[in-house]
Amino acid sequence: EDKVVQSPLSLVVHEGDTVTLNCSYEVTNFRSLLWYKQEKKAPTFLFMLTSSGIEKKSGRLSSILDKKELFSILNITATQTGDSAIYLCAVVGSGTYKYIFGTGTRLKVLA
Amino acid sequence: NAGVTQTPKFQVLKTGQSMTLQCAQDMNHEYMSWYRQDPGMGLRLIHYSVGAGITDQGEVPNGYNVSRSTTEDFPLRLLSAAPSQTSVYFCASSFLGGTIYFGEGSWLTVV
Repeated sequence: EDKVVQSPLSLVVHEGDTVTLNCSYEVTNFRSLLWYKQEKKAPTFLFMLTSSGIEKKSGRLSSILDKKELFSILNITATQTGDSAIYLCAVVGSGTYKYIFGTGTRLKVLA
Repeated sequence: NAGVTQTPKFQVLKTGQSMTLQCAQDMNHEYMSWYRQDPGMGLRLIHYSVGAGITDQGEVPNGYNVSRSTTEDFPLRLLSAAPSQTSVYFCASSFLGGTIYFGEGSWLTVV
């Protein structure tokens, strides 16, 4: 059964801190892992990691994929209050192509 | 740019009533899906489809039906609403294995 586990479930930090969010997974015929940010409404896309792209960076956010150990991390440096959100991780396999999400990490950044 | 369109945005139902949540996408995506999001539960997959005429169950399919007669549309039917189906529902679509795009969500309350 495909499965995604995220940790921690919630996190409170102060502005300027660096945070690391974890995502471990089990999926048949792994195809890609995706990270999303969700504020008040629908999730918005951050990164997609595949066998051919195991490291991504955009500004203060970066992510790596470890296909051997079956996990990914999302790093946010110099956090800002605008980073407060739920961060969701999802995986998809080439067999069924269904996207399975984890429970998310709720990040709160204090001014 | 329409993307993924869900209707209605808000709905209150009485226990036992039936209703349909509509979802349409204009990106010619093969994959369409419905998720529900409850507090602390992340996104749980209800049903999904990898093409017209093809549907399959996700993690929490009981009490819901879907059909995919066209590439664009993927309605979700609640057969006999129960208070446990009070949730936020998201429709999402993608090319197979690609970035998944979400509708804005439908807030459903069953009383």
